[in-house]
Amino acid sequence: EAGVVQSPRYKIIEKKQPVAFWCNPISGHNTLYWYLQNLGQGPELLIRYENEEAVDDSQLPKDRFSAERLKGVDSTLKIQPAELGDSAVYLCASSLGGGTGDDEQFFGPGTRLTVL
Amino acid sequence: GEDVEQSLFLSVREGDSSVINCTYTDSSSTYLYWYKQEPGAGLQLLTYIFSNMDMKQDQRLTVLLNKKDKHLSLRIADTQTGDSAIYFCAEARRGQKVTFGTGTKLQVIP
Repeated sequence: EAGVVQSPRYKIIEKKQPVAFWCNPISGHNTLYWYLQNLGQGPELLIRYENEEAVDDSQLPKDRFSAERLKGVDSTLKIQPAELGDSAVYLCASSLGGGTGDDEQFFGPGTRLTVL
Repeated sequence: GEDVEQSLFLSVREGDSSVINCTYTDSSSTYLYWYKQEPGAGLQLLTYIFSNMDMKQDQRLTVLLNKKDKHLSLRIADTQTGDSAIYFCAEARRGQKVTFGTGTKLQVIP
């Protein structure tokens, strides 16, 4: 069975340009997460979806970041406009449901964003 | 808010035991986790422990929890070169988000 799929794996853009990341979770997983991982740091949650609903977006910088999960399956994360400080790895994860605790999260390989 | 701290780096010889340590601040943490991240890959859950336990063993992995000191450790017996990776400690309360530590890079010397 395929794991969490993310694309692209790498993206290099100039500052002020828009960028979008795509995530396809494991089939049947209701909960989807987007994390930001800076170099030498652990992942930090940006947004969590339960099906189509964003149930925790408190850490998402809403002035430039947006996310959607229209049909409760795939999700996109967008940055517009990108800033130098946005250079990081963006991880997507999914889980069966419940969102936390013993609900195991499965991670994708991430998209490494470089903003020049 | 919650904080999870780990040492940055650990180097061991192949065949020795590795012990990776973690401290956390949230005394209400219900679940404590260990994740492994290999280069260019996402995180993989290795094991987790409930806060009402003090030890969990799974093959070469032993997790010890000292709830009083808010200290968690991961022991890897007979460490192999394939164990070289970054190991993240993480914690969560029931119904709350998972907070990750900064990660410990384990280097296994052949």
